[in-house]
Amino acid sequence: QVQLQESGPGLVKPSQTLSLNCNVSGGSISSGSYHWSWIRQPAEKGLEWIGHIYTNERTNYNPSFKTRITISADTSKNQFSLKMSSVSAADTAVYYCARGRVGIATTGTYYYLDVWGKGTTVTVSS
Amino acid sequence: SSELTQDPAVSVALGQTVRITCQGDSLRSYYASWYQQKPRQAPLLVIYGRNNRPSGIPDRFSGSTSGNTASLTIIGAQAEDEADYYCNSRDNNDVQFYVFGPGTRLTVL
Repeated sequence: QVQLQESGPGLVKPSQTLSLNCNVSGGSISSGSYHWSWIRQPAEKGLEWIGHIYTNERTNYNPSFKTRITISADTSKNQFSLKMSSVSAADTAVYYCARGRVGIATTGTYYYLDVWGKGTTVTVSS
Repeated sequence: SSELTQDPAVSVALGQTVRITCQGDSLRSYYASWYQQKPRQAPLLVIYGRNNRPSGIPDRFSGSTSGNTASLTIIGAQAEDEADYYCNSRDNNDVQFYVFGPGTRLTVL
């Protein structure tokens, strides 16, 4: 059973770069057709999709973050990572990593996030 | 970018049926997925595709789509169903970009 676990600093100073890792256990990130994803949630607010990396290392990002983020994968460590530059207090949130999948049915296509990490809290403050 | 809209809050009497809806243009082309989130927990996938439930999700949860509206229906709501529910789908203008609805807080009375 695949499990995901986020790790990284809980406190980042404004204007610096936030770096998070997601360790994947119980399966290889280089097998299958998965979208290894990052989602965040500010306190008392909703979920926000940040971006993902495909198994073949292609990436897609939320345009709201596009110039500030990089998602990469390290297959030797079976983990993927998020880097977000120039952070501000508005980036304070719980950050989740998740596994995304795309399905194609005769009636339409669909996307879903079937495995999630527990989340890690990142606070941006001096 | 495409938006998905949800009612902020819905309530249901214990054992009754409740429908949570999600509206957006992208839903005419792409199915929504639905996530349940309880306080201090990660979201949990409850419905995906046309009407698919992951293993372990009770069959009282079901999904449907009509036009630009996706619905999550709970038949015989239980106290443990009280949670926030989020829909998620592709952005209609950029198919490589995904969006979440703002969430619906379900209260079971």
